[in-house]
Amino acid sequence: KNQVEQSPQSLIILEGKNCTLQCNYTVSPFSNLRWYKQDTGRGPVSLTIMTFSENTKSNGRYTATLDADTKQSSLHITASQLSDSASYICVVSGGNKLVFGAGTILRVKS
Amino acid sequence: GAVVSQHPSWVICKSGTSVKIECRSLDFQATTMFWYRQFPKQSLMLMATSNEGSKATYEQGVEKDKFLINHASLTLSTLTVTSAHPEDSSFYICSARDPASGHSYNEQFFGPGTRLTVL
Repeated sequence: KNQVEQSPQSLIILEGKNCTLQCNYTVSPFSNLRWYKQDTGRGPVSLTIMTFSENTKSNGRYTATLDADTKQSSLHITASQLSDSASYICVVSGGNKLVFGAGTILRVKS
Repeated sequence: GAVVSQHPSWVICKSGTSVKIECRSLDFQATTMFWYRQFPKQSLMLMATSNEGSKATYEQGVEKDKFLINHASLTLSTLTVTSAHPEDSSFYICSARDPASGHSYNEQFFGPGTRLTVL
């Protein structure tokens, strides 16, 4: 069964701290893996997209890693800001469909 | 580039009425559009896939007669929730894709969502 599991479900960190979100998947065939940021009441916005051959990709303070052998990905957020508070969704593309993780809700406190 | 809009952003309606939600690709032609539903604290669930000029393909468990989808042009798809009931209250999000556009990874671009509340 195609699944994407994310951990933790939720996370609270202090402003300025770093954090890492995890994503494990069992999607086949595998096309690419995406991380999205979804603010409350808004649609998802793409942060990174990685194919099978890409191990890491950065977008500003966001750095995603991918281990296609173990089918794991992580999203590292550096020097967190209050505006980083959102749901972060890991999405794996397999064929023509996207398989969504349940998301990690991140709250950054001042 | 690659902007997708939705209208309205939120709507409140009475039980039994129908509601239409529009999804537009503003700066590219979307041969394929997707409709998702998201309940609180849950992830997006695909409802249907629509290709311009043809009938939508619905996911298992989604009633096609209740959720009418029209994709009459390359920039507009509409979702009509017919005879809405309180259990249809949800966040509806569309996304758009054009494989011929040159966007990398065959990417889907998401709209901002529409919050539907059925009283």
